[in-house]
Amino acid sequence: DAGITQSPRHKVTETGTPVTLRCHQTENHRYMYWYRQDPGHGLRLIHYSYGVKDTDKGEVSDGYSVSRSKTEDFLLTLESATSSQTSVYFCAISGGQGLPKGTSGSGSYEQYFGPGTRLTVT
Amino acid sequence: AQSVTQLGSHVSVSEGALVLLRCNYSSSVPPYLFWYVQYPNQGLQLLLKYTSAATLVKGINGFEAEFKKSETSFHLTKPSAHMSDAAEYFCAVSRSSASKIIFGSGTRLSIRP
Repeated sequence: DAGITQSPRHKVTETGTPVTLRCHQTENHRYMYWYRQDPGHGLRLIHYSYGVKDTDKGEVSDGYSVSRSKTEDFLLTLESATSSQTSVYFCAISGGQGLPKGTSGSGSYEQYFGPGTRLTVT
Repeated sequence: AQSVTQLGSHVSVSEGALVLLRCNYSSSVPPYLFWYVQYPNQGLQLLLKYTSAATLVKGINGFEAEFKKSETSFHLTKPSAHMSDAAEYFCAVSRSSASKIIFGSGTRLSIRP
């Protein structure tokens, strides 16, 4: 199994408070992703990163920001949490080791997932 | 644009029966296709993947899937269901190694004793 951890695993917070979720990998994979999972919606991509300090928006990025200052860590921040952000959040990694930016081809295509963080906003 | 449709949000089969979970995709380029499984309170685990090699792909736990370009399908099958197969299954599509993966909405598989 890929070495991916998420912290915290569970969090309850109040509306309007900032929240930061952490994803940590020990695989030196290039790509990292944040998803949210809600009943009936499957997984929806929030933000992703294709390298240190290189990030981009996914389909449901409003209200979320991310940062990646090191290869191994990808942080997801809810600046001011709302009840609609109550969800289970998953981090994923892919892409093998140290591929140059823009390279396609021999990298690993599949994504490996962390155990998830259950966030409740009251 | 790519998309994935999983037919049936819930499938129930008897233990020992054939499992068939349906997935159809839409992609403007040759796709990479995946099936993932999610057990309760866990993350997603890769079952198998198709990356333009053999059209019949074998995965873990006795599952396999067949890529049919003419039908734009990638259905997941297992000849004989086991109680431990009860989980949610996600089909997903990507168009390159560096790309995002688009997930279907999932199919929950229940196994009747």
